[in-house]
Amino acid sequence: DVKVTQSSRYLVKRTGEKVFLECVQDMDHENMFWYRQDPGLGLRLIYFSYDVKMKEKGDIPEGYSVSREKKERFSLILESASTNQTSMYLCASSPRTGTGDTQYFGPGTRLTVL
Amino acid sequence: AQSVTQPDIHITVSEGASLELRCNYSYGATPYLFWYVQSPGQGLQLLLKYFSGDTLVQGIKGFEAEFKRSQSSFNLRKPSVHWSDAAEYFCAVGPSGGYQKVTFGTGTKLQVIP
Repeated sequence: DVKVTQSSRYLVKRTGEKVFLECVQDMDHENMFWYRQDPGLGLRLIYFSYDVKMKEKGDIPEGYSVSREKKERFSLILESASTNQTSMYLCASSPRTGTGDTQYFGPGTRLTVL
Repeated sequence: AQSVTQPDIHITVSEGASLELRCNYSYGATPYLFWYVQSPGQGLQLLLKYFSGDTLVQGIKGFEAEFKRSQSSFNLRKPSVHWSDAAEYFCAVGPSGGYQKVTFGTGTKLQVIP
């Protein structure tokens, strides 16, 4: 079974703090993704990565950065957390075969910024 | 640009009743289409997907969906709902090649009553 793990289920941070969200997958997938999920807005793509050290902006990259130094790990960084970044963050991975690949999701990190 | 519309934010059905969740998409060519389910406190799990061939797709947990190109729809159905089906359901559309940047709908929350 594919397993995607996220470093924390719940996180509380203060405004202005630097926040790291970690995601690890164990299936040697090329693609990895970070989404945020908000009520009524569904899932919105923040960043994705299709290879080590490669990244592409998603639909809402402002205020975020990412790092992918190893194939299995994809980190989301909030350089200076703000209250409007309070949300559920979901990580996903998928293989890259070009045939409508399934994304496998982690359980999510619920981040609260005070 | 690709987009997905799920017109129903919340649906309530009785256990044992049939279910249909609506999904309309916008995409210039033949898309990949997905339905994911998110149980409370969990990440998303793939129910089924369509990318070619038979327009009626069978998935897990007794779900099926039908791709109708003329209506740009991919509605999810189940003949008899179980209490454990209570969850949030997301329709998604992706391109038929290249990097897997999938666009998700805003979700439909299903409540099942006895």
